Order: sequence, then C-alpha cells, then structure tokens
Amino acid sequence: DSGVTQTPKHLITATGQRVTLRCSPRSGDLSVYWYQQSLDQGLQFLIQYYNGEERAKGNILERFSAQQFPDLHSELNLSSLELGDSALYFCASSGAPRGNTIYFGEGSWLTVV
Amino acid sequence: ELKVEQNPLFLSMQEGKNYTIYCNYSTTSDRLYWYRQDPGKSLESLFVLLSNGAVKQEGRLMASLDTKARLSTLHITAAVHDLSATYFCAVLIYKLSFGAGTTVTVRA
Repeated sequence: DSGVTQTPKHLITATGQRVTLRCSPRSGDLSVYWYQQSLDQGLQFLIQYYNGEERAKGNILERFSAQQFPDLHSELNLSSLELGDSALYFCASSGAPRGNTIYFGEGSWLTVV
Repeated sequence: ELKVEQNPLFLSMQEGKNYTIYCNYSTTSDRLYWYRQDPGKSLESLFVLLSNGAVKQEGRLMASLDTKARLSTLHITAAVHDLSATYFCAVLIYKLSFGAGTTVTVRA
C-alpha cells in the first residue's frame, strides 16, 4: 500500500458525460501528480500541483481540469467524455516539488461507452 | 521535448540467468526512477537514482545511473518467475517522463 488513495476504482460512463476522480496523497505529501495510462499512449503526464498551486502541465486536454484543495486532496475532472478517454488514471504524490520518491495510487479505471 | 527510451521492450528471461534493461534519455537530469507494474495494477517504486554513478540494489535487482551518458540500467540477477512484470524507467525534469516499459516474462 503506497498510502495514495484514489476513488473510484472503476467507473463506466457514457460519451458526453462528466466524471470526477479523487485523490488523497500520502500523509504529509504536498505534491500531487496525475497520469493517464492507455495501451496506445503509454503513461502520459497530465498535471502536477504543489501545495495547492499548479506546478507543471503536460498533455492535458482542455476538456480536463484539476485542482488541489487546502487539505491537499486533488480532483481530476473529465468532461465531454469520448471513447478515447477510456484509460487508467493514476494519481501520485511526493513530499517535495522534485521528488524524491514518487508514490502512485491504485488508479481509477475509466471506461467510456 | 525529453525522450526516454527503454530497450528491449519485451524480454523473455530464462530462470537463473542474468539480464539487463537499458534506459536512455535525451536531456540532462539528475533524477531517474525505476518502477514495476503488474498487469492492471499500480506502479511500485523500485529505485530512485539521484546522482551520477549512483547504484542501488534490492534483492535480484540492481540499478545504476550514468548522467553523462544519459543512461540507466536495471540489472536482473538469476531471474525468477516472481520478477515477471513490466518495468518502467522515468526521468524527472519538471515532470516525470516515462519510457514505454519493458515487459518481462520469466520462463522455467
């Protein structure tokens, strides 16, 4: 158990819908990262927050948004869902902006039908 | 744009033999990570390499980092079935960029 908690674990939704994925980082970790893993794209970095502020942005679609709240949990919002958004979404956390160890949660499986 | 390349992408190992996975990256970085992933599961942190010449070992796995060559290796000694998984290297600059992964299968 990495200490990073993600909910829900599995989610099936229809195209055009909106979903919210939630992440609680390890106790004391200020940095939260979001990744998308799919068979064709591999592991893609979406966005990073540090202590509530956006720190780095990757290949995150405009239909996707995220935030980190004062209690340090984070949410990833995915809207106008398309079939291609079906993937495993990981949240990770670390204690500092640049590492050291970055711990990954169990992931949220999103299936868009 | 940072590129992280792993090879091989697929590795069929025979139990008891030694193998190496290579990770090359295109931009200078002093932080390299190795992760293991079982099918459909999370990424388990194996090693964090923080400086040139760093070497870390855990059980049958040993990782090293050469920042000048922009190369990290993951060496597997006397492979056993439990090591079957996908292994990823990742390089941290402003974001953690992953290689494509090496899928390892250990056969008797």
